[in-house]
Amino acid sequence: SYELTQPLSVSVALGQTARITCGGNNIGSKNVHWYQQKPGQAPVLVIYRDSNRPSGIPERFSGSNSGNTATLTISRAQAGDEADYYCQVWDSRRVFGGGTKLTVL
Amino acid sequence: QVQLVESGGGVVQPGRSLRLSCAASGFTFSSYGMHWVRQAPGKGLEWVAVIWYDGSNKYYADSVKGRFTISRDNSKNTLYLQMNSLRAEDTAVYYCARGSIAAAGTAFDIWGQGTMVTVSS
Repeated sequence: SYELTQPLSVSVALGQTARITCGGNNIGSKNVHWYQQKPGQAPVLVIYRDSNRPSGIPERFSGSNSGNTATLTISRAQAGDEADYYCQVWDSRRVFGGGTKLTVL
Repeated sequence: QVQLVESGGGVVQPGRSLRLSCAASGFTFSSYGMHWVRQAPGKGLEWVAVIWYDGSNKYYADSVKGRFTISRDNSKNTLYLQMNSLRAEDTAVYYCARGSIAAAGTAFDIWGQGTMVTVSS
């Protein structure tokens, strides 16, 4: 079965740029989606099909996907961006990465 | 507003059954594929099942295949998950989620608040 690999944690200074990676075999050939989940809340879709933002998601959130790595980039990180972030693809079944905890210092 | 509201969770003994419901509002329910996704305590997200907009196709994660059944009633704007032969490892928050048309149904653009299922003797 297809597997997605994310770092357990990423830290970023307030106002700086955070990059969260999602690794998978030839993931660049797949559509990658990203979700933000804050404690006690349901996940929220922040990026779909590699680099598209749903309505209401700030422009600070962007995505890219090539080769074996997809990346979620959060520019000008804010305290409110602290959350778990999950990547997801469809490969016969909906597959999620293990999640990355983003800490804003 | 667009909303999904789950219900039916609770504490159940191993081997017993439970049925979850998800009431949809604010959008044309019958036009969307719908999913169940679960999250064990302190763990990541796990996709459980999908049903196409008209109920014609259903797919399951290997971990629940043969035990769980997804269904829908478009006249009632409601999604269901019948869970049989429950195991301790099924303990999780269960979310219903809408398949994103913009992402050809492969992403989840609206989520409910979740309902907790605890399987314990």
